[in-house]
Amino acid sequence: DAGVIQSPRHEVTEMGQEVTLRCKPISGHNSLFWYRQTMMRGLELLIYFNNNVPIDDSGMPEDRFSAKMPNASFSTLKIQPSEPRDSAVYFCASRQDRSYGYTFGSGTRLTVV
Amino acid sequence: DAKTTQPNSMESNEEEPVHLPCNHSTISGTDYIHWYRQLPSQGPEYVIHGLTSNVNNRMASLAIAEDRKSSTLILHRATLRDAAVYYCILRGGTYNTDKLIFGTGTRLQVFP
Repeated sequence: DAGVIQSPRHEVTEMGQEVTLRCKPISGHNSLFWYRQTMMRGLELLIYFNNNVPIDDSGMPEDRFSAKMPNASFSTLKIQPSEPRDSAVYFCASRQDRSYGYTFGSGTRLTVV
Repeated sequence: DAKTTQPNSMESNEEEPVHLPCNHSTISGTDYIHWYRQLPSQGPEYVIHGLTSNVNNRMASLAIAEDRKSSTLILHRATLRDAAVYYCILRGGTYNTDKLIFGTGTRLQVFP
């Protein structure tokens, strides 16, 4: 199994541009989570899906952030417009329902200049 | 949400045992205790979890206090590769609250 696959690994963009982060969960996992990590705030849960349905988006910082999961094998996190304070490492994780372990991807390091 | 308290940092020498403590005095009866670790420049990875009884796996052991208000992650022989941030997390509740909320964790340094 290739694990949770995130793309791109690194993204540098200018303030005001749209950014799209992508995630492919492990096949058979039906929950997917988006996290953001910064030095100041640590690991924050942004949103999670179960069976492609958003369950809790209370961690999404503001309307500039949106996430979709059109099918069981793909999810996107979009920031429009991006701002320098969005610079962080964004992680995607997946798990099977009620299983013990979450599997995280390697993350996307986003830099907004 | 029930919270956990961990020391900010700990140090160990290579090949020595390491005991990483975690306090969770407000734990509920249905909360599982989970440990994850994050190696430098990587995403978090699952280490171990337990409910009431002590648990062992190939990575570590988890010792849970009888009153469940604290637990200890035990690395039996630390290696340089074990240098990471270790997170103690309570997970439980209903379907809609089953999510991992990370605290600040313990940064473990391992010296040769």
